[in-house]
Amino acid sequence: DVKVTQSSRYLVKRTGEKVFLECVQDMDHENMFWYRQDPGLGLRLIYFSYDVKMKEKGDIPEGYSVSREKKERFSLILESASTNQTSMYLCASSWRTGGAFFGQGTRLTVV
Amino acid sequence: KQEVTQIPAALSVPEGENLVLNCSFTDSAIYNLQWFRQDPGKGLTSLLLIQSSQREQTSGRLNASLDKSSGRSTLYIAASQPGDSATYLCAVYTGFQKLVFGTGTRLLVSP
Repeated sequence: DVKVTQSSRYLVKRTGEKVFLECVQDMDHENMFWYRQDPGLGLRLIYFSYDVKMKEKGDIPEGYSVSREKKERFSLILESASTNQTSMYLCASSWRTGGAFFGQGTRLTVV
Repeated sequence: KQEVTQIPAALSVPEGENLVLNCSFTDSAIYNLQWFRQDPGKGLTSLLLIQSSQREQTSGRLNASLDKSSGRSTLYIAASQPGDSATYLCAVYTGFQKLVFGTGTRLLVSP
């Protein structure tokens, strides 16, 4: 079975902290994605990567950056956490031909 | 810009009923379409992936159809069970295999 693993289920951070969310997939997928999910707004794409060291901005990249040094790992970085970044963060991976698999989600609270 | 809408937003049915969830998208130039379910506070679980050349996919009690020309997909659930209670999301694939998500249908199946 495909496994996409996010490093934390729940995270509480202080305003201004630098936050790292890690995601690892075990299926040799080329594509990896970071989404955030908010009530009433649905899932919105933050960043995605279609190859190692390659990244593209999604719909809401402001305040975030990403890193993909190895094929199986895609990290989301909140440079300076703010309260409006409190959300559920979802990582996904897929082959180039499609069929996405999601991790269990990280609920981040910024206080 | 691709927009995906799901109707109804919420649905409550008694156990055993057959039901249909609808998904419509504004731009028919999509690659694939995927249906997911999401339990409260959890990540997304893939249900069915319909490749762009296909018109439907089946898995157990689930059947999904795709009509690209009309911008519609339906998810049919046969003989619904309480364990089917969840939010169902459809997502269309655009360039670089990015997913654009629908607004979701919240399903409650009562015993």
